Amino acid sequence: DAKTTQPPSMDCAEGRAANLPCNHSTISGNEYVYWYRQIHSQGPQYIIHGLKNNETNEMASLIITEDRKSSTLILPHATLRDTAVYYCIVRVSGGSNYKLTFGKGTLLTVNP
Amino acid sequence: DTEVTQTPKHLVMGMTNKKSLKCEQHMGHRAMYWYKQKAKKPPELMFVYSYEKLSINESVPSRFSPECPNSSLLNLHLHALQPEDSALYLCASSPAGTPGGYTFGSGTRLTVV
Repeated sequence: DAKTTQPPSMDCAEGRAANLPCNHSTISGNEYVYWYRQIHSQGPQYIIHGLKNNETNEMASLIITEDRKSSTLILPHATLRDTAVYYCIVRVSGGSNYKLTFGKGTLLTVNP
Repeated sequence: DTEVTQTPKHLVMGMTNKKSLKCEQHMGHRAMYWYKQKAKKPPELMFVYSYEKLSINESVPSRFSPECPNSSLLNLHLHALQPEDSALYLCASSPAGTPGGYTFGSGTRLTVV
């Protein structure tokens, strides 16, 4: 699975959009981009994933660049409860690949 | 039911004890996982079961023994642990062979004394 690079920490004001970047310049054509978050002392929570196209769900939007070498997770209206470590993970999905490997992630702090 | 349930939530055990962690899901997921997480570190994969068979063991010491009695249950048997094994143990499940996301439980906080 390709490696990812994320900033160690970011701040965001409550009510504003939080844009979390992820670099995955070695991504292969069959690798998906996944985002998870982990609120303190809880289990990780799946947010969203995508292959090529931008994706949106009730939690967030995922913007993947055309060359797929980077992506951005957007939380449109951040709240204090969105303070968490956000993990960007790139992996081949399906078949017999069951590994989900976490990097260091980005600690997002939403401030009042 | 869209949850992964882990019991107990907290466990304190001595180095000579034998204990088990339990994980249960009823989402029909055929892949289940154990992760270990130390403070301020990302989760680390320990074991993967797919279709009730062990498919990945990430070189975990034998004092940790996983078991998957059926498609809904996953156990982690603990024996002769060391204080450095104290950590948050997370269970997860996912659909097998599809791009779906993993669902994690809230974990068992283990302290070895």
